[in-house]
Amino acid sequence: DADVTQTPRNRITKTGKRIMLECSQTKGHDRMYWYRQDPGLGLRLIYYSFDVKDINKGEISDGYSVSRQAQAKFSLSLESAIPNQTALYFCATSDGLAQGPVNTQYFGPGTRLTVL
Amino acid sequence: SQKIEQNSEALNIQEGKTATLTCNYTNYSPAYLQWYRQDPGRGPVFLLLIRENEKEKRKERLKVTFDTTLKQSLFHITASQPADSATYLCALDGGGNTPLVFGKGTRLSVIA
Repeated sequence: DADVTQTPRNRITKTGKRIMLECSQTKGHDRMYWYRQDPGLGLRLIYYSFDVKDINKGEISDGYSVSRQAQAKFSLSLESAIPNQTALYFCATSDGLAQGPVNTQYFGPGTRLTVL
Repeated sequence: SQKIEQNSEALNIQEGKTATLTCNYTNYSPAYLQWYRQDPGRGPVFLLLIRENEKEKRKERLKVTFDTTLKQSLFHITASQPADSATYLCALDGGGNTPLVFGKGTRLSVIA
């Protein structure tokens, strides 16, 4: 079974709809991240969380919110989706308690979101 | 603000040759520099990490160098194979509680 899973894998929705993307991990890592990837723009960080009580904005948090329901679960919400939020979304984890580098990322398979 | 650049958006190379990808950065002093591989439609996969005080790191056919004076890392794949075709991302790692900063990637195509 995959260590980092994302649901759904693909989603098509309409402008103005509320969307939730979910991420679960079995790696036992404390840190979790949400990125979006657009052609030509690379990976951009939306939100990150270092533990259940810690939520931080990334580079492009406007229009998004997150919830860290448990150490293993981190969900991303688009309250009112708009077409320029069409992108590939990735969840990632890292082990903040590791000896040495703590930011090595382990990515999920991605969610392809299309907003019409 | 920090800036990270991977010098080529795409690189084509003949099978068996050495592929060299470049990552340059400014306004940053990373504790580490990381390299990832990403296949189309899939999440990036961690390959190698090099520390600021290391000059070179090797793993099988992969070699990474890190020059903190030039603010540059080079990623080499020796004896390249068509299966090495993918996008390669570099990332600045400040260590601790600083999130990674990713480059836009270089798409490598190894031609048989």
